[in-house]
Amino acid sequence: DAKTTQPTSMDCAEGRAANLPCNHSTISGNEYVYWYRQIHSQGPQYIIHGLKNNETNEMASLIITEDRKSSTLILPHATLRDTAVYYCMGAPNFNKFYFGSGTKLNVKP
Amino acid sequence: DTGVSQDPRHKITKRGQNVTFRCDPISEHNRLYWYRQTLGQGPEFLTYFQNEAQLEKSRLLSDRFSAERPKGSFSTLEIQRTEQGDSAMYLCASSTAGNNEKLFFGSGTQLSVL
Repeated sequence: DAKTTQPTSMDCAEGRAANLPCNHSTISGNEYVYWYRQIHSQGPQYIIHGLKNNETNEMASLIITEDRKSSTLILPHATLRDTAVYYCMGAPNFNKFYFGSGTKLNVKP
Repeated sequence: DTGVSQDPRHKITKRGQNVTFRCDPISEHNRLYWYRQTLGQGPEFLTYFQNEAQLEKSRLLSDRFSAERPKGSFSTLEIQRTEQGDSAMYLCASSTAGNNEKLFFGSGTQLSVL
């Protein structure tokens, strides 16, 4: 399973884009990059995942570098409700997911 | 509500007692996972089932821990002879196995061992 490195915490102003980086230099060719977030006292929530191409859904965009060694999760217009811990991970198909310590995103008014 | 349901939400027990948690997954999901989370840390994988078969157990899962998923539906996680170090949030997640597997988590059971 890929080891991931994320900053411990980040701040973002409400209404601005939040860009959360993740390094996953050991990711293997068949591992997807997944992002989850966890709001205080709740279970983690799926955000987005991708293999090689950039992905976008109603929650966020995922930019994966060409060498797949890093990725960035983009929340285009952060709100106070986006304050959470964001986890990045590499996950092979049909297998378990390992969470690291994540990035605590603080969205400030 | 058709999400993942966990019961109880909170459990306080004395050291040495046995506790059992229940997880009801999303009905069409064939995979069920258990995780443990302590304060300030990410969730740690404990075990997972595909249908009724327990396919993998973490080394974190000592002999005092046992999980079952009879008939491939709900699951139970039992901890025998609880220790203070077992105090944590126990999270359950379910999914459908496949290339685009996504875990759906319950709200967890918060265990406090006194």
